[in-house]
Amino acid sequence: QKEVEQDPGPLSVPEGAIVSLNCTYSNSAFQYFMWYRQYSRKGPELLMYTYSSGNKEDGRFTAQVDKSSKYISLFIRDSQPSDSATYLCAPTVRPSYDKVIFGPGTSLSVIP
Amino acid sequence: NAGVTQTPKFQVLKTGQSMTLQCAQDMNHEYMSWYRQDPGMGLRLIHYSVGAGITDQGEVPNGYNVSRSTTEDFPLRLLSAAPSQTSVYFCASSSIGGTFGEAFFGQGTRLTVV
Repeated sequence: QKEVEQDPGPLSVPEGAIVSLNCTYSNSAFQYFMWYRQYSRKGPELLMYTYSSGNKEDGRFTAQVDKSSKYISLFIRDSQPSDSATYLCAPTVRPSYDKVIFGPGTSLSVIP
Repeated sequence: NAGVTQTPKFQVLKTGQSMTLQCAQDMNHEYMSWYRQDPGMGLRLIHYSVGAGITDQGEVPNGYNVSRSTTEDFPLRLLSAAPSQTSVYFCASSSIGGTFGEAFFGQGTRLTVV
């Protein structure tokens, strides 16, 4: 079993839809959870970061962590064509990038 | 502010050739790292450095060398290229200490080994 798994997609939704992107993990010691967004042929950029369980909201984006189920979600409200990208979940045991495990990513396409 | 700059953007090598991928950052970050990204595999850490003169291996270090003589630069050397090293390579940097924050990535180097 891979340590971090994501459905690769592609996920295609109409503009304005609510999008749910999901990630599962196997290491119960993960404490820090990040979502990176990667546009085609670009490097990843940090979208959101949460510590431990619970929800965090930032504009149209909400990150949710359920440690009991080892399940991470990213919700995008009122999706826009500019949200079309690959979304990587990236948990870590401690706040050090040499320990971050990047998931394979889910490709999202928002159709105008 | 350039951030993290990688060169070249594209490269084709023949099996057995060597080359150096360049990475430079202008944010005075202590931490720098190299990843490779392959379809379905996610980003995998090759080597990283927590400061000038200090380097360490990541998950997939074989076939690669690094050095860190300055804070700004962190080159990745392929010693004898193999087709299995065909990938997209990303350099990243971040600060150490304080609040855990963002890693800044370069635009990537697309390497094909034939």
